[in-house]
Amino acid sequence: QSVLTQSPSVSAAPGQKVTISCSGSSSNIESNYVSWYQQLPGTAPKLLIYENNKRPSGIPDRFSGSKSGTSATLGITGLQTGDEADYHCGTWDSSLSAHVFGPGTKVTVL
Amino acid sequence: QMQLQESGPGLVKPAETLSLTCTVSGGSISSNSYYWAWIRQPPGKGLEWVGSIFHSGSTYYGPSLKSRVTISVDTSKNQFSLKLNSVTAADTAVFYCTRHSVHGANDFWGQGTLVTVSS
Repeated sequence: QSVLTQSPSVSAAPGQKVTISCSGSSSNIESNYVSWYQQLPGTAPKLLIYENNKRPSGIPDRFSGSKSGTSATLGITGLQTGDEADYHCGTWDSSLSAHVFGPGTKVTVL
Repeated sequence: QMQLQESGPGLVKPAETLSLTCTVSGGSISSNSYYWAWIRQPPGKGLEWVGSIFHSGSTYYGPSLKSRVTISVDTSKNQFSLKLNSVTAADTAVFYCTRHSVHGANDFWGQGTLVTVSS
């Protein structure tokens, strides 16, 4: 049972926008940086967003991150079929003294 | 470009010790800016952080596995290793080795290796 919660799935048509939320608490999201990962089927996760809203080199600006209080959000605009994947949030939990991840959200492109 | 590669047995018997090694290429494991970690993912489930190590040998582990885990580093070989003892079927997972920043962002990942615990 993760201390972070995510909706199990979200779907939208190509070209549309989706938002994926990650909900936590004052001991994790509210007080620590959040990162987001994309996991295509059968592959290792890939870093999409770090330190709440920064994109690594090579990550298109269709992907964005934000944080407010105990929740963080990943946004994907201009949805493409290649965006079909599981998306995981991650952060540090100060109470557990552990890196924690959300259960993942599956994005389906209709 | 940095690459990480996991190696080790894909099948371990219950009650035995799971041992994996991660070989880092394209960069030094002795960087003062990064930690090196093991993350696992049971089939069809989410990610679980196992533990992390700094090149100095300083370690910290996830609370649920802390009593069974040892992570070590060999800077001369640019490798770090995982040992998980007294394994059960619940430890069956894909194990990833990663590099992460002090703020926890895992920016480089190995391809992952499936370890099955079964007799």
